[in-house]
Amino acid sequence: SALTQTASVSGSPGQSITISCTGTSSDVATYNLLSWYQHHPGKAPKLIIYEVYKRPSGISNRFSGSKSGDTASLTISGLQAEDEADYYCCSYAGSSTLLFGGGTKLTVL
Amino acid sequence: EVQLLESGGGLVQPGGALRVSCAASGFTFRTYAMGWVRQAPGKGLEWVAGISGSGNKTYYADSVKGRFTISRDISKNTVDLQVSSLRAEDTAVYYCVKYGGNLKFYFDFWGQGTLVTVSS
Repeated sequence: SALTQTASVSGSPGQSITISCTGTSSDVATYNLLSWYQHHPGKAPKLIIYEVYKRPSGISNRFSGSKSGDTASLTISGLQAEDEADYYCCSYAGSSTLLFGGGTKLTVL
Repeated sequence: EVQLLESGGGLVQPGGALRVSCAASGFTFRTYAMGWVRQAPGKGLEWVAGISGSGNKTYYADSVKGRFTISRDISKNTVDLQVSSLRAEDTAVYYCVKYGGNLKFYFDFWGQGTLVTVSS
């Protein structure tokens, strides 16, 4: 089943927020193969973090990732209006399969 | 510039079949695994299938195993998803995705998606 994410989170411009992603010993806890995607509805999702904490070229350092046990976290600092989007975590789950979280809707107040 | 362009979506009846395709450009196609991720209306993302760079290994989510088939044509730089025995719950936008590399289980590029609607 899907990884567990909080359905929604909100913050004001300039603030920091953290989105959590909880899995099991079969996925998040075992593999450091956790990625995060930003999805503005109607557009293609965008990779923002891979392998727990790595940022692709061109992604702002306001986005950071971490993991502890079976829970991964995405922190966005210095919130900006354009950060308002849906965010999804995704973990390797063995045998070359992947599992997404249910998604978190970020609202910038 | 990496580009992934999906095509082939449409309306299909329950139990029917459809082929969605993805034309890739801007990278050495045979070097990277490719896959499909879908999003049902109002729902989250779901990984559906993956295929190795050479095309000799394929992987599927349990929800589609036995009904969907992923393939690739290295000479044409295309990756296809043959979907059959379709159910209403297969209605979704299907995104073509490029894996980050060999044994790199993340998706660094996504297409714009193609909508598959299963309805009578």
